[in-house]
Amino acid sequence: KQEVTQIPAALSVPEGENLVLNCSFTDSAIYNLQWFRQDPGKGLTSLLLIQSSQREQTSGRLNASLDKSSGRSTLYIAASQPGDSATYLCAVRHSNYQLIWGAGTKLIIKP
Amino acid sequence: GAVVSQHPSWVICKSGTSVKIECRSLDFQATTMFWYRQFPKKSLMLMATSNEGSKATYEQGVEKDKFLINHASLTLSTLTVTSAHPEDSSFYICSVYRGEGIDTQYFGPGTRLTVL
Repeated sequence: KQEVTQIPAALSVPEGENLVLNCSFTDSAIYNLQWFRQDPGKGLTSLLLIQSSQREQTSGRLNASLDKSSGRSTLYIAASQPGDSATYLCAVRHSNYQLIWGAGTKLIIKP
Repeated sequence: GAVVSQHPSWVICKSGTSVKIECRSLDFQATTMFWYRQFPKKSLMLMATSNEGSKATYEQGVEKDKFLINHASLTLSTLTVTSAHPEDSSFYICSVYRGEGIDTQYFGPGTRLTVL
């Protein structure tokens, strides 16, 4: 059974710092992995999707990497800003379209 | 613009009443929609998969008689929480699956349900 873990559960850093969020999964037979952002009381915004054949994806200040063999993904945020404060979720997908979710990392960027 | 809408965005109701939440696919016809539930500081939990024109497939532990799902058209799925109780208070999110090589789920903004 696939399990997805995100560490840390919460993170608070000063503005301007670079930071890394971690996601690990127990079954490497995934179809893809996605990182999402959730603002309080809001729905989800998809940030980056990495196919199983890919190693990383970049969008602006965000870079996500995927190491299937070790069951790990990282989301790197460069030059963090207060507007980056949110909960970040990772989810993996198997051959069907179900997503298995991590519990998220709550990120606070202090001005 | 938004691909998926949900209505209402929040609702407060008395215990014992039923609440209907709508999920609409705005950009394309969706044969498959998903309903998720999220408790504070917990993972999103898939409740059911909604297929147009057929009965929804519920995940283990989800009461199908309590959470009624109707996917009557290719752009609308509804979730009705029947005889709601305080423990049903949660954040409900729907998502729409787009295959056709795009293979992406689009998520609605969510509905905050509070049962008094």
